[in-house]
Amino acid sequence: GNSVTQMEGPVTLSEEAFLTINCTYTATGYPSLFWYVQYPGEGLQLLLKATKADDKGSNKGFEATYRKETTSFHLEKGSVQVSDSAVYFCAPTFPLDTGKLIFGQGTTLQVKP
Amino acid sequence: DSGVTQTPKHLITATGQRVTLRCSPRSGDLSVYWYQQSLDQGLQFLIQYYNGEERAKGNILERFSAQQFPDLHSELNLSSLELGDSALYFCASSAQANYGYTFGSGTRLTVV
Repeated sequence: GNSVTQMEGPVTLSEEAFLTINCTYTATGYPSLFWYVQYPGEGLQLLLKATKADDKGSNKGFEATYRKETTSFHLEKGSVQVSDSAVYFCAPTFPLDTGKLIFGQGTTLQVKP
Repeated sequence: DSGVTQTPKHLITATGQRVTLRCSPRSGDLSVYWYQQSLDQGLQFLIQYYNGEERAKGNILERFSAQQFPDLHSELNLSSLELGDSALYFCASSAQANYGYTFGSGTRLTVV
């Protein structure tokens, strides 16, 4: 069936460190892929997306590339800031499955000054 | 403001009671999704509506029900509440699946 596996947290980094949060999926067909971010006490916000193989989504210094061959969509940022502290969710949507998003378990990122 | 409005923001109620959570989607979005977020279960998909009709069901308990009205707002009804129903309930809307969702700020339900 369709599923997503996300790197477990928490991830603790110092400011300006490099960030990678791994995300892999299993799917029938080709999903669209999303990363969402949830800041403390808030709802989820769309961070970036990619809808086909080799697409790169980017926003606010974050990037992720749709890798069909490895069924992955890892989130990266070259230099994190304290304000990036949040929970990050990988979420594919499967076109053959009504389009609902299936969320990974979330990865908590804490960035220390 | 994301454009998706959820009310109320907070709700405290007793076990056995019934509550209704309301969601107004972003203008023009026909799809509404409900999710439950708890510490131990993460984000669980409950139900999806598209233009008034139920489209998909996830891990929604029989005590829970939802509907989407002609003006596209949606309500999630939770009855015979138990302590374990305490969670954040999010509504999201979308125009098309591959556009991504817009989430509301959620309703925090506390059952005491």
